[in-house]
Amino acid sequence: QKEVEQNSGPLSVPEGAIASLNCTYSDRGSQSFFWYRQYSGKSPELIMSIYSNGDKEDGRFTAQLNKASQYVSLLIRDSQPSDSATYLCAVKSGGSYIPTFGRGTSLIVHP
Amino acid sequence: DAGVIQSPRHEVTEMGQEVTLRCKPISGHNSLFWYRQTMMRGLELLIYFNNNVPIDDSGMPEDRFSAKMPNASFSTLKIQPSEPRDSAVYFCASSHLGRGLSGANVLTFGAGSRLTVL
Repeated sequence: QKEVEQNSGPLSVPEGAIASLNCTYSDRGSQSFFWYRQYSGKSPELIMSIYSNGDKEDGRFTAQLNKASQYVSLLIRDSQPSDSATYLCAVKSGGSYIPTFGRGTSLIVHP
Repeated sequence: DAGVIQSPRHEVTEMGQEVTLRCKPISGHNSLFWYRQTMMRGLELLIYFNNNVPIDDSGMPEDRFSAKMPNASFSTLKIQPSEPRDSAVYFCASSHLGRGLSGANVLTFGAGSRLTVL
């Protein structure tokens, strides 16, 4: 059973702070890692993907992957109220076509 | 491209009625997924098609649920008879998937169909 675990939150941070979202996974064969953002009442949309150990930066977002420790994280710098959403972690192993989603972490950025 | 198109956006029906949800994937994508999302269970995969063929339907809750993909541009998810516990948001997603590392292993979701069974 492949599992992807996330703290459900809510994670509350002040505007301008760094928000740190974490995700752990059980399948050591996992090779592809994704962060999706889902606004309330909307569908998930991809914001970051990462495939190798280390950091990957895209604007205010940084994805961090540590395969040895089986975790992937998402950092949001200079958090804005518009970042308030649920963030879903998804993990795909090399031998599968199907990504496994975590339950998501709710982020609230307050002014 | 208009993205993944789902209909209806909202459906309210009575217990026992048949419900049909529809999805048009992104042109060129070879894979289609049906998900169900609830507060209690999060995002659950119901069924996955690759090249119009059902590959994994282990997430389909029971025989009341069925899904078809008659061609590359259309899929349906049918619930017959519907029950109140089927109330959820149903998402269709498509992708061009492959094994191993691939930047194309990204799902694009439709806007979802919110189903309420009274």
